[in-house]
Amino acid sequence: AQKITQTQPGMFVQEKEAVTLDCTYDTSDPSYGLFWYKQPSSGEMIFLIYQGSYDQQNATEGRYSLNFQKARKSANLVISASQLGDSAMYFCAMREDMSGTYKYIFGTGTRLKVLA
Amino acid sequence: NAGVTQTPKFQVLKTGQSMTLQCAQDMNHEYMSWYRQDPGMGLRLIHYSVGAGITDQGEVPNGYNVSRSTTEDFPLRLLSAAPSQTSVYFCASSDIWVAETQYFGPGTRLLVL
Repeated sequence: AQKITQTQPGMFVQEKEAVTLDCTYDTSDPSYGLFWYKQPSSGEMIFLIYQGSYDQQNATEGRYSLNFQKARKSANLVISASQLGDSAMYFCAMREDMSGTYKYIFGTGTRLKVLA
Repeated sequence: NAGVTQTPKFQVLKTGQSMTLQCAQDMNHEYMSWYRQDPGMGLRLIHYSVGAGITDQGEVPNGYNVSRSTTEDFPLRLLSAAPSQTSVYFCASSDIWVAETQYFGPGTRLLVL
């Protein structure tokens, strides 16, 4: 069965430092997608980055990169040069593609606080 | 291009009342879904649809009904509200064949007394 695990309920990082948010997943589907979303205190869900299971290279989007380790079933988000505006909840999510259901599941999230 | 819109933004219900949360998208997306978000938890899938006339249950479907008569609209119905349904509800849509992102609505905050 699909499962997403985020083991860090909260993280602190100093401004301008890099931070890694952990995400592990479990699936038996060979084709799947992994996503990271940011939820600031205002409540909206903001898409950050996507990694397909067949993608050979790690995804990058500006200061965000996804450290995809398929054998270990991990999809950690790396934020470089943290900014105060990065303080938010971060959710990892997965979608299985081969099953035909296109269900997304989410982890419980990590609250990141960037310190000045 | 409005993206995904949800109405209302906030609603208070009494136990046993019914209501419909509205969701609409103007991106011609086949896939639409409803999630609920409770404190300390991620988003849990309630129902989803892969096209007009096609719906299926997610992780927490009990107490909720959906229908999809058009590509644009995907309403969520609470037939008899319970305090356990107090939550923030998000609607989302995406292109099935281009799964890089799912677009979320702004959310509906529901309080059931």
